[in-house]
Amino acid sequence: KAGVTQTPRYLIKTRGQQVTLSCSPISGHRSVSWYQQTPGQGLQFLFEYFSETQRNKGNFPGRFSGRQFSNSRSEMNVSTLELGDSALYLCASSFLDRAGRGEQFFGPGTRLTVL
Amino acid sequence: TQLLEQSPQFLSIQEGENLTVYCNSSSVFSSLQWYRQEPGEGPVLLVTVVTGGEVKKLKRLTFQFGDARKDSSLHITAAQPGDTGLYLCAGLWANAGNMLTFGGGTRLMVKP
Repeated sequence: KAGVTQTPRYLIKTRGQQVTLSCSPISGHRSVSWYQQTPGQGLQFLFEYFSETQRNKGNFPGRFSGRQFSNSRSEMNVSTLELGDSALYLCASSFLDRAGRGEQFFGPGTRLTVL
Repeated sequence: TQLLEQSPQFLSIQEGENLTVYCNSSSVFSSLQWYRQEPGEGPVLLVTVVTGGEVKKLKRLTFQFGDARKDSSLHITAAQPGDTGLYLCAGLWANAGNMLTFGGGTRLMVKP
């Protein structure tokens, strides 16, 4: 099985712009979670989608949004970029059990640099 | 805010030495996971511990879950250069679905 893929792998933007990142989960996985990783804050949960619905949301401003398509692929969008948004954005996919939990398989991430 | 504190942040040791990484919280986890991340890649799951007092072994790695399910440790015996990487603990709380809360990470370097 192919792993989680994320595109693009690297991105450079300037302050005020917006960006869209894409994630394709492992085939059969319907849950996709997004995380932000920075040297200062570590790995922080952004949001989780399951069957095109947002299930959980982390403590991030409304500039961060996401969506999931019927084929389980997911995108996240960051509007009005700030310097502090520079980070590695990781996507993870899961096959959920009846309790709504499952092992998360991470993609390689998208490295976003905001200048 | 639910916090997971991981220590030490950095560890540089010689090949063959033993080491322990700690992960602590004031809250009770429903389960705790340990990941390893290498440069340019996403974290890879090493183990999940669920039961208080549980001990799991993965070759030279030993994982313990505290009796009260608030803390965990990772012990590596006879570390090798291939163990170099970022080790992360992550907790799942009972009311948080599949949302992982990560510790700050321990960056391990094993010198030959």
